[in-house]
Amino acid sequence: GAGVSQSPSNKVTEKGKDVELRCDPISGHTALYWYRQSLGQGLEFLIYFQGNSAPDKSGLPSDRFSAERTGGSVSTLTIQRTQQEDSAVYLCASSSRSGIGGANVLTFGAGSRLTVL
Amino acid sequence: DQQVKQNSPSLSVQEGRISILNCDYTNSMFDYFLWYKKYPAEGPTFLISISSIKDKNEDGRFTVFLNKSAKHLSLHIVPSQPGDSAVYFCAASFSNAGGTSYGKLTFGQGTILTVHP
Repeated sequence: GAGVSQSPSNKVTEKGKDVELRCDPISGHTALYWYRQSLGQGLEFLIYFQGNSAPDKSGLPSDRFSAERTGGSVSTLTIQRTQQEDSAVYLCASSSRSGIGGANVLTFGAGSRLTVL
Repeated sequence: DQQVKQNSPSLSVQEGRISILNCDYTNSMFDYFLWYKKYPAEGPTFLISISSIKDKNEDGRFTVFLNKSAKHLSLHIVPSQPGDSAVYFCAASFSNAGGTSYGKLTFGQGTILTVHP
């Protein structure tokens, strides 16, 4: 697609329920990232996929969080047994990583706003 | 440990004047720096980047300055316009052997810029 697409744009759930957030990256982009932005905070790195390499999961805050990327394209971020502190905007980004020298520019989606009651 | 810091949560300037947004970092291994702009309900969009081998990069009204010895960078917007009102994030990354930045970006907390007509 033309941009990074995320769904749902808004999700309200009850504490303890599981949620799935979806990201459809830009076609041809090999790298995919998940970040989250809590109220009044910066962007916190969660996980990073690059091609067929093992994902960098170093930012996942707990084992309730997991993500997968199917077929090198669409990614799903799953949060199990949601807690109120999970409330945030979850942002997905992708990049082409052409291998040519330069900055790795990430293109972000609009985000999925998660509210845990 | 906040490796990238934006110590000013907000900045207010008059239209036509210069806006200066500041960012400090602690990890001397960072060698690419990027600025992103974010409007409400949208994902961050890339503005400008700079490699650590440079001290200045300019793109239209936007100029980024890097002071490696001070571990400090700044974004100058001249002249400022009301449409520049947004949250500005600085971010940093490492480079791989090919000289391309890769992997996750580490973001600051953001600075809210308001440009008054």
